[in-house]
Amino acid sequence: KAGVTQTPRYLIKTRGQQVTLSCSPISGHRSVSWYQQTPGQGLQFLFEYFSETQRNKGNFPGRFSGRQFSNSRSEMNVSTLELGDSALYLCASSVDLSVRNTGELFFGEGSRLTVL
Amino acid sequence: AQTVTQSQPEMSVQEAETVTLSCTYDTSESDYYLFWYKQPPSRQMILVIRQEAYKQQNATENRFSVNFQKAAKSFSLKISDSQLGDAAMYFCASNNNDMRFGAGTRLTVKP
Repeated sequence: KAGVTQTPRYLIKTRGQQVTLSCSPISGHRSVSWYQQTPGQGLQFLFEYFSETQRNKGNFPGRFSGRQFSNSRSEMNVSTLELGDSALYLCASSVDLSVRNTGELFFGEGSRLTVL
Repeated sequence: AQTVTQSQPEMSVQEAETVTLSCTYDTSESDYYLFWYKQPPSRQMILVIRQEAYKQQNATENRFSVNFQKAAKSFSLKISDSQLGDAAMYFCASNNNDMRFGAGTRLTVKP
């Protein structure tokens, strides 16, 4: 079974630009979560989607948005990029986070964004 | 809201020795899950061990075990017989509808 796939793996943008990151979850997983990872801050929760609906959202500005498609693939978008947005963006999928039977997240390798 | 705190940014252990990583959390819920995830250098995050809050017995997975103190909201990870492959970032996490992580502890294993 294929794992969680994130594209692109690396990208460089300049301030003010926008970026779209993609995540394909494990087949059969309907929940997709996004995290921002920076040194010293750990993983900051961005949002979680389930069946095309945003179910939970972290404390990030409106420049960060996402969506999920009917095949469970998800995208996140960051507009008007700032230097502080440089980070590793991780996507994780699960069967259903709200069903507290396992709670296990399966992570992708991440998309490393550098903002110049 | 749930918060997770890891107070040890870095830890070091000698190969074959035992190390304990600390984690505290804060939640208003009575039913939740706690996890330790491992992120090896340049590799994907993987689950190490999980604990269900309503279970009093501490979870164990081979060389990995936890000390879950519900009243103190403490959830530490003990790694016994440390191996070089244990070197990684370790993240404590709490799940109550969405997963929240601590800042991580970088574990170095000395040969």
